[in-house]
Amino acid sequence: AQKVTQAQTEISVVEKEDVTLDCVYETRDTTYYLFWYKQPPSGELVFLIRRNSFDEQNEISGRYSWNFQKSTSSFNFTITASQVVDSAVYFCALSLIQGAQKLVFGQGTRLTINP
Amino acid sequence: EPEVTQTPSHQVTQMGQEVILRCVPISNHLYFYWYRQILGQKVEFLVSFYNNEISEKSEIFDDQFSVERPDGSNFTLKIRSTKLEDSAMYFCASCPNSGGNEQFFGPGTRLTVL
Repeated sequence: AQKVTQAQTEISVVEKEDVTLDCVYETRDTTYYLFWYKQPPSGELVFLIRRNSFDEQNEISGRYSWNFQKSTSSFNFTITASQVVDSAVYFCALSLIQGAQKLVFGQGTRLTINP
Repeated sequence: EPEVTQTPSHQVTQMGQEVILRCVPISNHLYFYWYRQILGQKVEFLVSFYNNEISEKSEIFDDQFSVERPDGSNFTLKIRSTKLEDSAMYFCASCPNSGGNEQFFGPGTRLTVL
């Protein structure tokens, strides 16, 4: 069975600080996808990124960056120069390439950016 | 831009009543999912649907739940006899094909069972 762990339940930082959200996953499969979703206070789930298990290149998109390390089964998410609008719950998720490809979510990290 | 829609946005029902939550996935998508999120908790998989049948379901998805795609566009989740613990946000998602593609989520239906 697959499992995703986000050990940080809540993080609070002051605007413009950098913040890293941790994600550790478990799976016996060698092929899988990892995702990050954002859930703002309005409640919808917003897709941020998808990485497949074959591609360990780090990715940067504006102020967002992701660090995928297969050796430690981690897929961490960093927000640089955080802004109040980044306040949300962030979920890391995993799906297998085979089968129904359901998403297995972590518990989420509630990020609060204070002005 | 195409999007997944869900109705109603909020449903209040009495314990023991049947509810039907409706979703319209993106039109050319082939894989459909229901997830639920109890308030303050993580998002949990309920069921996946492909080629007009359930492809996988979780242990949460017991005999009280059913899904169908009655007319080729709507995708519904029925809860036959609601319990207090069914109170949650229910998300529908769709995906264009296999291969770990992004699942597009609807805005959710908040179900409150009294």
